[in-house]
Amino acid sequence: QQQVKQSPQSLIVQKGGISIINCAYENTAFDYFPWYQQFPGKGPALLIAIRPDVSEKKEGRFTISFNKSAKQFSLHIMDSQPGDSATYFCAAQNTGFQKLVFGTGTRLLVSP
Amino acid sequence: DGGITQSPKYLFRKEGQNVTLSCEQNLNHDAMYWYRQDPGQGLRLIYYSQIVNDFQKGDIAEGYSVSREKKESFPLTVTSAQKNPTAFYLCASSGQLATNEKLFFGSGTQLSVL
Repeated sequence: QQQVKQSPQSLIVQKGGISIINCAYENTAFDYFPWYQQFPGKGPALLIAIRPDVSEKKEGRFTISFNKSAKQFSLHIMDSQPGDSATYFCAAQNTGFQKLVFGTGTRLLVSP
Repeated sequence: DGGITQSPKYLFRKEGQNVTLSCEQNLNHDAMYWYRQDPGQGLRLIYYSQIVNDFQKGDIAEGYSVSREKKESFPLTVTSAQKNPTAFYLCASSGQLATNEKLFFGSGTQLSVL
């Protein structure tokens, strides 16, 4: 119930392409869904986040799509660039609790 | 510069030895966290603290201990009871995660067993 399942584990996309990472959850009490980006040898940093009252949130080339009925959300990176090569983690939280539940991560490589 | 400082960047542990990872923050955050990162397993919560002199076990606390004597500091000790300590350890802080404030992470400590 507390798990967040993330796929794929790794992804290779050509420069200019669209990267798509998917996450699914079971706990319907989750009400906050952030994505974190991690470069090698660094800690993760918040990239973008969404609440279930909207179906989509866009910030620049990064978009979260949220499907409440399917309990799924995804990250889309448009016009992917080599600088986007990183590990991406989805996460979920039940607001009011102090813990984030993280997915297992997706290693993205954008080839030049 | 505001942020979280973890030290050392690399640490080696001999069998039967306890080692302590340092985490200091100057963000004036109340909450601090320790995560363990293993390839393919994501980030798993070891311990967290919402206030000085108080902390709670996370999902994988066995073999670890923490203290929170100062707001700025949240050291993690990996004890000899932790049989598989090799991992990347991340410290994080937040204002109050319960209000969806974002986590700020340090740059991590890579712990390896000799």
